Amino acid sequence: AQSVSQHNHHVILSEAASLELGCNYSYGGTVNLFWYVQYPGQHLQLLLKYFSGDPLVKGIKGFEAEFIKSKFSFNLRKPSVQWSDTAEYFCAVNAQSGTYKYIFGTGTRLKVLA
Amino acid sequence: DTAVSQTPKYLVTQMGNDKSIKCEQNLGHDTMYWYKQDSKKFLKIMFSYNNKELIINETVPNRFSPKSPDKAHLNLHINSLELGDSAVYFCASSQVRGLADEQFFGPGTRLTVL
Repeated sequence: AQSVSQHNHHVILSEAASLELGCNYSYGGTVNLFWYVQYPGQHLQLLLKYFSGDPLVKGIKGFEAEFIKSKFSFNLRKPSVQWSDTAEYFCAVNAQSGTYKYIFGTGTRLKVLA
Repeated sequence: DTAVSQTPKYLVTQMGNDKSIKCEQNLGHDTMYWYKQDSKKFLKIMFSYNNKELIINETVPNRFSPKSPDKAHLNLHINSLELGDSAVYFCASSQVRGLADEQFFGPGTRLTVL
């Protein structure tokens, strides 16, 4: 069965620090990968997605993620965080077969201190 | 214009009651979803409809019954509410079923069962 794990549940950073959030999935086939963000009191929004091609994908607000197939990972990065990046971040996987069911990770709560 | 809307935003009710949450999307998408987000922010899919046809039905108690009168609407009816049903329920939609399609989420309905 597919699963997604996010190892960091809570991350606290100061503004301008670099960010890397881990995401690993388990699925033997081809997958589509996503990062969503949920700002306080708001709904989930897409940050970026990987479908095929260049494994380094760039998203909105300066975020990027790298798909490393051999490690089943899709880590999210940002070189310099801002206070407004305080939010919950969810990694999600969608297998390219079957029911195309999204599996979400448990989320990482990021708090950026001003 | 709101892409995916849900009503109500907040719902407080007693155990044993029956309640409904409505969802509408004006994006012209074919597929709609219901997710449950628990107190630990874990996001789990409950149901998915594609063009009014049920395609994903996770192990959800049969007290939960989705209804899709047309492809722009997916309502969730819950019978005999229990304390454990307290959560935030998110509706989402996507253009087509699966692939690399982004899911567009509604603002959520915070259900509190007393």
